[in-house]
Amino acid sequence: NAGVTQTPKFQVLKTGQSMTLQCAQDMNHNSMYWYRQDPGMGLRLIYYSASEGTTDKGEVPNGYNVSRLNKREFSLRLESAAPSQTSVYFCASNWGFHTDTQYFGPGTRLTVL
Amino acid sequence: AQSVTQLDSHVSVSEGTPVLLRCNYSSSYSPSLFWYVQHPNKGLQLLLKYTSAATLVKGINGFEAEFKKSETSFHLTKPSAHMSDAAEYFCVVSEPGSQGNLIFGKGTKLSVKP
Repeated sequence: NAGVTQTPKFQVLKTGQSMTLQCAQDMNHNSMYWYRQDPGMGLRLIYYSASEGTTDKGEVPNGYNVSRLNKREFSLRLESAAPSQTSVYFCASNWGFHTDTQYFGPGTRLTVL
Repeated sequence: AQSVTQLDSHVSVSEGTPVLLRCNYSSSYSPSLFWYVQHPNKGLQLLLKYTSAATLVKGINGFEAEFKKSETSFHLTKPSAHMSDAAEYFCVVSEPGSQGNLIFGKGTKLSVKP
């Protein structure tokens, strides 16, 4: 039981390049989330998927797209990376209720030059 | 709208002394409240959560928190700090109808001196 896994762990991009961050969970959770973490800012929600087949914007969606590929997998795409997207990205999952614990992946550290 | 304020960005204690990390929240409904911990270069781990049951919540590693509705607070405490407690701590709120979305405080970095 791996929980929430993310790939890659580290990535360096040049401005304007694109990439996809992958996330998978093996807990049969309904809901999945993408956050970014910047120093002194806590975690901010980028996009979430309340259930398979649905996605919604969070607090900071600009510059990102997501795909809920199936119940297990939720990917985050940067179409044209910018230095402002340098951050640590976390994926999380839970059953989708406000009382639920969210389980986090280990994170992806992205640097955009 | 829901929000979270962590009153200290950095707290420093000596090993063996008490820990107090302060958190105030704002919510229009009966929220769920969480404390998560993040050790350096690691992911986030749940310490404890309040979901409208007992107001004094016990978590892992000797931490506990008390939900005080009248003060809109959810402060995290531990009687005796250990070196391994050095980490960043996040107070988090979630409301009914939010589809499980979390609102994070900006974090409190706890340093523990030998």
